[in-house]
Amino acid sequence: AQRVTQPEKLLSVFKGAPVELKCNYSYSGSPELFWYVQYSRQRLQLLLRHISRESIKGFTADLNKGETSFHLKKPFAQEEDSAMYYCALTQTGGFKTIFGAGTRLFVKA
Amino acid sequence: KAGVTQTPRYLIKTRGQQVTLSCSPISGHRSVSWYQQTPGQGLQFLFEYFSETQRNKGNFPGRFSGRQFSNSRSEMNVSTLELGDSALYLCASSLTSGPDTQYFGPGTRLTVL
Repeated sequence: AQRVTQPEKLLSVFKGAPVELKCNYSYSGSPELFWYVQYSRQRLQLLLRHISRESIKGFTADLNKGETSFHLKKPFAQEEDSAMYYCALTQTGGFKTIFGAGTRLFVKA
Repeated sequence: KAGVTQTPRYLIKTRGQQVTLSCSPISGHRSVSWYQQTPGQGLQFLFEYFSETQRNKGNFPGRFSGRQFSNSRSEMNVSTLELGDSALYLCASSLTSGPDTQYFGPGTRLTVL
């Protein structure tokens, strides 16, 4: 069965510290992976997708097919990064997206 | 372009009633997906529509149904409401028929008493 696991419900780091939000997936096909973010009182929105290989707001994520992981990283966390982060997998064919449970990131001053 | 809109934003119903939620995608987007979000289960996929066809359905009972119109607007219906149906229902649209960025609406908060 397809599954997306985000093992940390809450991650708290100090401003300027590196941050890594973990995401592991289980899927037999070739997945499309995304990170979505929800800031306070805002809609869920795309942060980045693996196929574009972009760096958005300093965040990067590398797809590791061997470890079936798609961890989100940022070298220096900022207070404005505090938000809820969701890892998502869209099945080949694109008709169904599975979300992880989410990780709340809290960046302390 | 205007974002995804959902109506109503808040809804209170009693057990046994039925409810219809509406979603208007971004202009030009033809794929619409629906999700149920609860504190315990997170975001759960309900169904996805493209060009008026349901292409996939999540693991929800038959009380949950949906449809998409020729203008890509979508509705979902829940019949015989149960207390456990209380949730935030999110709609998302995307441009293409394949894996693509989803643009989310603000959600409809359904409370079942």
